[in-house]
Amino acid sequence: QKEVEQDPGPLSVPEGAIVSLNCTYSNSAFQYFMWYRQYSRKGPELLMYTYSSGNKEDGRFTAQVDKSSKYISLFIRDSQPSDSATYLCAMSAVDRDDKIIFGKGTRLHILP
Amino acid sequence: DGGITQSPKYLFRKEGQNVTLSCEQNLNHDAMYWYRQDPGQGLRLIYYSQIVNDFQKGDIAEGYSVSREKKESFPLTVTSAQKNPTAFYLCATQSDRGNQPQHFGDGTRLSIL
Repeated sequence: QKEVEQDPGPLSVPEGAIVSLNCTYSNSAFQYFMWYRQYSRKGPELLMYTYSSGNKEDGRFTAQVDKSSKYISLFIRDSQPSDSATYLCAMSAVDRDDKIIFGKGTRLHILP
Repeated sequence: DGGITQSPKYLFRKEGQNVTLSCEQNLNHDAMYWYRQDPGQGLRLIYYSQIVNDFQKGDIAEGYSVSREKKESFPLTVTSAQKNPTAFYLCATQSDRGNQPQHFGDGTRLSIL
């Protein structure tokens, strides 16, 4: 079983819809969770950073962590064509020497 | 302007040639990382450095070498021993203050001539 699993997509949704992106993981030691957005031919850009379980909201983006289910989600409200990108989840444990483990990314297309 | 600068944006390698990819940062971050990104394979860690004059191999270090002589700089050399170098290479940095996220440059696309 891989440490982090993420559906590669592509996921196509109409403009204005709510988008749900998800990752599952197997390591119960993970405490820090991140979502990155990557446009074509660019580096990943940090969108959300959360610690432990719960929700965090930033504008149209909401990150949700369910540690009991080992499941994290990123919701995008009022999706725009400019949200079309690859979204990578990432996570790490508490020890400062622990590496960040990345999902392979989900390609998202917002249809005008 | 704070950030991570990778150069060049595009690079071509001839058979048997070594090439060096540059990564410079002015974020004053202690840790720096090199990843390789291939379609469908996600990010794979090549090398990382948590302090000047020290670095460790990642998961796919064979055919690559690095140096960390300055805090701001972490160049990656793709040697002729790397038989499949065509990929998108990403440099990342991380503050040493607790469990902070990594921040990425805009990458270098390396292709074989």
